[in-house]
Parts: sequence; C-alpha cells; structure tokens
Amino acid sequence: KAGVTQTPRYLIKTRGQQVTLSCSPISGHRSVSWYQQTPGQGLQFLFEYFSETQRNKGNFPGRFSGRQFSNSRSEMNVSTLELGDSALYLCASSLAKGGHPSTDTQYFGPGTRLTVL
Amino acid sequence: KNQVEQSPQSLIILEGKNCTLQCNYTVSPFSNLRWYKQDTGRGPVSLTIMTFSENTKSNGRYTATLDADTKQSSLHITASQLSDSASYICVAFYGNNRLAFGKGNQVVVIP
Repeated sequence: KAGVTQTPRYLIKTRGQQVTLSCSPISGHRSVSWYQQTPGQGLQFLFEYFSETQRNKGNFPGRFSGRQFSNSRSEMNVSTLELGDSALYLCASSLAKGGHPSTDTQYFGPGTRLTVL
Repeated sequence: KNQVEQSPQSLIILEGKNCTLQCNYTVSPFSNLRWYKQDTGRGPVSLTIMTFSENTKSNGRYTATLDADTKQSSLHITASQLSDSASYICVAFYGNNRLAFGKGNQVVVIP
C-alpha cells in the first residue's frame, strides 16, 4: 500500500506570494492533518480534515487555510507569504475509525520544504 | 498551560548502549501520549501510543512508559544501533483531539 505522498517536495517563493501544497493520504484513510515544523518551534499543528470538513484547528493566522476533497486528498494554502513561513510542512493521514479519544496511528508524508525569500 | 517538555535536548551514545529519553507533560484532560521517531529529511514515524490505562508499551527495541500520576513518560532504547540516530518527538493528545508537542530529543549513535 502506498504511503502518504506530498507534492511538491521543495518550493521557493518570495514574500507576498501565495502557495498551495498537496497531500494524498494512504488509501482508505479519511483523516488528514497538517503540521508546520521549524527548528525553533518544532512541530506545530495547523488543522485536521475529516470527510471534507475541518474538524480541528491550531493557532495559526487566517492566511493558512486548507480543504479536503471527496477522495480524501487535501490541500493547504498559505497566502501573503512571510519570511517566517519558511518551514517543513508535513501531512499525516489516519484511518479515523471513529470514537473518542482518537488513538489512530498517524502516518506522515515526507513533507514539503518551503523557503520564502 | 498545555505543554510538553523533553529532556535531554540532545545526547550522543555509543552503539550497543542503552539510553532513556524523558517527556513531561502538563495537558488536561489527558487523552493519550505518543512517541515518534524522525530521521533527518523524513516525516515522523509513530513508535508508540499510550492511553491513560497503559503504563508500558514496546515496539522492538523501543519501550515507552507512562506515569499518568506524575505526568511523565520515557522512551528507552535498548542496544542502540546507528539507525537509531534521529529526533524523538513526544506528543500529548488532550481534550477534543488537541495536541501539544515536545521539541524533540536529538539522539546521535556513534560506532
């Protein structure tokens, strides 16, 4: 079974531009989460989508948005890029069998390395 | 404040030796605690997931412990190998699927 894939793997943008990152989850997985990872802050949670609905959201400004499609693929968008947005953006998928609390194993993709100049 | 603290920040160990990584969390209400391994340039890989009622869980040479009373977890690596060189990240889930991340333990295994 193919793992989580993210495209593109590397991206260079300039301040003020916008960017869209894509994530294809493992087949059958319905939950997709996005994370930002930087050397200073470590991993930070952006948002989670389940069945095309944002189910959970971290503390990021509105410039960060996402969506999920009916096939569970997800995209995240960052508008008006700032230098501080340079980071590794990770996507993770899980089965989301249901129930609370969730103890589903998350499977991470390799990430998209975004550099803002 | 809901947060996770990991120690030591980094350590160097000789191949074949054991080591223990620490994770202290202050989240409420606690749901579960996870350890991930992240190799350089790769996404994290799940090692263990422990809920309130579990105090030990193993995954090969990795053994995680959880003390819900003291809000501490540890990850023990037995007979370290060069491939264990990585960052180990502790994540506490709490509330309605909220997350608190540690900054990671950077482990370097030398021959």
